[in-house]
Amino acid sequence: DVKVTQSSRYLVKRTGEKVFLECVQDMDHENMFWYRQDPGLGLRLIYFSYDVKMKEKGDIPEGYSVSREKKERFSLILESASTNQTSMYLCASSLSDRENYGYTFGSGTRLTVV
Amino acid sequence: DQQVKQNSPSLSVQEGRISILNCDYTNSMFDYFLWYKKYPAEGPTFLISISSIKDKNEDGRFTVFLNKSAKHLSLHIVPSQPGDSAVYFCAALSNYQLIWGAGTKLIIKP
Repeated sequence: DVKVTQSSRYLVKRTGEKVFLECVQDMDHENMFWYRQDPGLGLRLIYFSYDVKMKEKGDIPEGYSVSREKKERFSLILESASTNQTSMYLCASSLSDRENYGYTFGSGTRLTVV
Repeated sequence: DQQVKQNSPSLSVQEGRISILNCDYTNSMFDYFLWYKKYPAEGPTFLISISSIKDKNEDGRFTVFLNKSAKHLSLHIVPSQPGDSAVYFCAALSNYQLIWGAGTKLIIKP
């Protein structure tokens, strides 16, 4: 069974802090994604990566950066946290095989910025 | 511009009856669709998918129907159970990325 593990379930940070959200997957998936979920807005893609050291902006990359130094790990960085970044953050991974396509999600990190 | 739309933010259904969740898309190039279910404070989990070469896919209580001419798909859950109360997301595959709908919150009433 594919597992996607996010380092924290709940996090409270202060405005202006640098925040790291870690995501690790254990099934050698090529693709990894970071989303945020807000009520009424569904899942919005922040950044994604198709390979090590490769990153692409999603729909809402402003205020975020990412790092993928190893295939299994994809980190989301909030350079200077702001209250409008309070949200549920979801990491996902997938194969590139269209016949078996689907995302496996982590359990999410509920981030509150105060 | 939303390419995948779930126009009902919420739906309330009596336990034991059929739940029908709808999803519309605009891009006729989409050829693979998925439904995910999400409980609060958890990540979404895969439920069922359908390829555009089919018009129906069934898995236990869950059936997805695809109408390509109308660019519409629907998820049927029958019979509905209390554990089905969750947010359901429809997604379409485009270039190895999933394009997501905004979700429909399904509430199963006892």
